[in-house]
Amino acid sequence: DAKTTQPPSMDCAEGRAANLPCNHSTISGNEYVYWYRQIHSQGPQYIIHGLKNNETNEMASLIITEDRKSSTLILPHATLRDTAVYYCIVRVTGTASKLTFGTGTRLQVTL
Amino acid sequence: GAVVSQHPSWVICKSGTSVKIECRSLDFQATTMFWYRQFPKQSLMLMATSNEGSKATYEQGVEKDKFLINHASLTLSTLTVTSAHPEDSSFYICSAVQGFDTEAFFGQGTRLTVV
Repeated sequence: DAKTTQPPSMDCAEGRAANLPCNHSTISGNEYVYWYRQIHSQGPQYIIHGLKNNETNEMASLIITEDRKSSTLILPHATLRDTAVYYCIVRVTGTASKLTFGTGTRLQVTL
Repeated sequence: GAVVSQHPSWVICKSGTSVKIECRSLDFQATTMFWYRQFPKQSLMLMATSNEGSKATYEQGVEKDKFLINHASLTLSTLTVTSAHPEDSSFYICSAVQGFDTEAFFGQGTRLTVV
């Protein structure tokens, strides 16, 4: 699996959009970009994934650059409950392949 | 999303004893399950991958005789920490995948403390 690079921490004011970047410059054509988050002392929670098109669901939006070397997870209106560690992971398609976690970004949402 | 349940949520055991952790997919059949370990302030580290009915594949550096994994059905995988020692104290997390190209769902984790 390709490696990803994320900033170690970010702050965001409640109600504002949180934009979490991720670099995956060595991503292969058959690798998806997945985002998970982990709230303290819980198992990771799936957020969203995409291959090359932008994706949106009820939790977040995923913007993938045209060259697929980076992506941004957007939480449109962050709340205190969004405080967590966010992991960007690339994963091969076509198999039930493992998810390899990097160090992630610790997002702190403040009042 | 799909539900993955781990049991127990926490356990305290004496050094030298064995502990079994269960991971169940409640509303789907999991073709593959993964076991992770997480130490404080660190990321999740993959320990092994298990497919139903076959032997688990362990990551480099993980002792297969110490961490026994059984994936006897499409909805249940177990991790047994044998002869546990204080250094095995950690947060153990399982995840399950229903098929190809699908997201993995995670259990709530099990906090193991060996005293």
